[in-house]
Amino acid sequence: AQKVTQAQTEISVVEKEDVTLDCVYETRDTTYYLFWYKQPPSGELVFLIRRNSFDEQNEISGRYSWNFQKSTSSFNFTITASQVVDSAVYFCALSEWGGSEKLVFGKGTKLTVNP
Amino acid sequence: NAGVTQTPKFQVLKTGQSMTLQCAQDMNHEYMSWYRQDPGMGLRLIHYSVGAGITDQGEVPNGYNVSRSTTEDFPLRLLSAAPSQTSVYFCASSLLGASGGQGTDTQYFGPGTRLTVL
Repeated sequence: AQKVTQAQTEISVVEKEDVTLDCVYETRDTTYYLFWYKQPPSGELVFLIRRNSFDEQNEISGRYSWNFQKSTSSFNFTITASQVVDSAVYFCALSEWGGSEKLVFGKGTKLTVNP
Repeated sequence: NAGVTQTPKFQVLKTGQSMTLQCAQDMNHEYMSWYRQDPGMGLRLIHYSVGAGITDQGEVPNGYNVSRSTTEDFPLRLLSAAPSQTSVYFCASSLLGASGGQGTDTQYFGPGTRLTVL
């Protein structure tokens, strides 16, 4: 069975600090997708990134970066120079290849960025 | 494109009442899903569909029914509401892409319906 663990329930940082959100997953599939979603206080779910299991290249998008390590089954998310607008709940999720209709979510990490 | 739309945004029911949560998408996505979000639980899959006329159960299907008569619509029915069904419900859709191309195999979510059952 697939499982996603986000061990950090809540994180609080001061603006401009860097912060890393951890995600560890379990799956028996050899090919799969990993995702990060952001849920701001307004409640909607915003897609951030999808990573294919066969592509371990790290990705950077502005202040966001993702570190995928298949050897440790981790897909961590780092925000550099955090801003108050980054305050949200962040979810890591997993799906089987070609099975995007069945996402398995972690319980989320609530990030608070204080001014 | 309007994306994924859900109605209503808020709903209060009494125990035993029935209702239908509406979900529609205009992106011609094959896949559609329903999730519920409870505090501290993340999102859990209720039902999903891989195309019109095809539905299946997710992790927490009890108390819910779905049908998919068109590609665009995927309503979720609560047959007899219970307080345990108080939750935020999200509908999502995705486009099948066997090669994993950009924009495919990624679920996009509607704004959610906040349901309270008294």
